[in-house]
Amino acid sequence: QQPVQSPQAVILREGEDAVINCSSSKALYSVHWYRQKHGEAPVFLMILLKGGEQKGHEKISASFNEKKQQSSLYLTASQLSYSGTYFCGTEMDSGGGADGLTFGKGTHLIIQP
Amino acid sequence: NAGVTQTPKFQVLKTGQSMTLQCAQDMNHNSMYWYRQDPGMGLRLIYYSASEGTTDKGEVPNGYNVSRLNKREFSLRLESAAPSQTSVYFCASSRYRAGELFFGEGSRLTVL
Repeated sequence: QQPVQSPQAVILREGEDAVINCSSSKALYSVHWYRQKHGEAPVFLMILLKGGEQKGHEKISASFNEKKQQSSLYLTASQLSYSGTYFCGTEMDSGGGADGLTFGKGTHLIIQP
Repeated sequence: NAGVTQTPKFQVLKTGQSMTLQCAQDMNHNSMYWYRQDPGMGLRLIYYSASEGTTDKGEVPNGYNVSRLNKREFSLRLESAAPSQTSVYFCASSRYRAGELFFGEGSRLTVL
């Protein structure tokens, strides 16, 4: 079942912060985050596994609330290079095997100078 | 340093024609996937192969077939193309379940 992302689109000024949310109605094993630039392939940002650990780098981080089956991606002090479409991908907690990721419809992030 | 390679990058078909999209990875990954991407729909899983010798249906498998030829190669076949299959197709691979996905550059298919 496709996870729901919000918001659908965000327009920011360089240096502002953004939060992108991803929620599922099913129990999750993992949540992935990817960024896609126009005309390019999606690029991996991070994975969060069941356990609620927050991961990330200095300015891009994410959290996973497994009780609520929700994940959030945090972009702080946004840079022009952060522009693109962000996708969350979820993997169900089905007990084993590779079921493949189910992606949300994406959040378009536009960073303006 | 190739990663995931897809061919062809562009293809135009007429309704009813068949074709095969090829995908190969050189990272010794176990799992491979085919996704399609349509405007406003995100990436939707067509088929995946958890390991060599196995294939399973994803969300939108109708009208497609796949073959995991060996550990490196995973092909996607359209037996009788329809305009609804106009899309950008991405092949991806990962080392293990819940592992990072590495995507190919995509194949843009237009069915007239």
